[in-house]
Amino acid sequence: DAGITQSPRHKVTETGTPVTLRCHQTENHRYMYWYRQDPGHGLRLIHYSYGVKDTDKGEVSDGYSVSRSKTEDFLLTLESATSSQTSVYFCAISIAQTGAEAFFGQGTRLTVV
Amino acid sequence: QQQVKQSPQSLIVQKGGISIINCAYENTAFDYFPWYQQFPGKGPALLIAIRPDVSEKKEGRFTISFNKSAKQFSLHIMDSQPGDSATYFCAASILNTGNQFYFGTGTSLTVIP
Repeated sequence: DAGITQSPRHKVTETGTPVTLRCHQTENHRYMYWYRQDPGHGLRLIHYSYGVKDTDKGEVSDGYSVSRSKTEDFLLTLESATSSQTSVYFCAISIAQTGAEAFFGQGTRLTVV
Repeated sequence: QQQVKQSPQSLIVQKGGISIINCAYENTAFDYFPWYQQFPGKGPALLIAIRPDVSEKKEGRFTISFNKSAKQFSLHIMDSQPGDSATYFCAASILNTGNQFYFGTGTSLTVIP
């Protein structure tokens, strides 16, 4: 698992509530990513980070924000959850300096009701 | 739009047969092409990857064939086994930018005993 821990693993929340997902890595890898996985879409990048306080948007960033105040933690926040954000969320890290060799966490299944 | 197009969506192969999954891309700046394997309830796991300076890479029963001029690459699973039944994703990225991985939509492989 390359030392990646996602929490929580499952969550059910109500529409309009804020939700924060956490990704923790045990190594000091530079690159971290948040993806969502939906049937028929594969994995789509939400946000990524290339260092502490250095983050950028991916292709499906609307409705999401991220923060990285420490190398080991990358937080994904849904400011006001909507049903369209029901998905499985994966955190990934890249262990190579080139940005290659991405390793994924176990995922968080989020249901917005 | 989908940066990486993957086919087929699903594949059924007899044990011992060859499984072939195809992907195509448009962005000629991509220089890293990994394949991921995902079992139900798990995160995707890096299976094998190729750079565009080689046309083929083999690791055990898994082979990537890469056609730079056609902007296509494929995964071949030789002597397919029931344990290979999983979802496979191709991806593409640009190294040294910390940039995002663009994933295909996935292929669900079932190997029949």
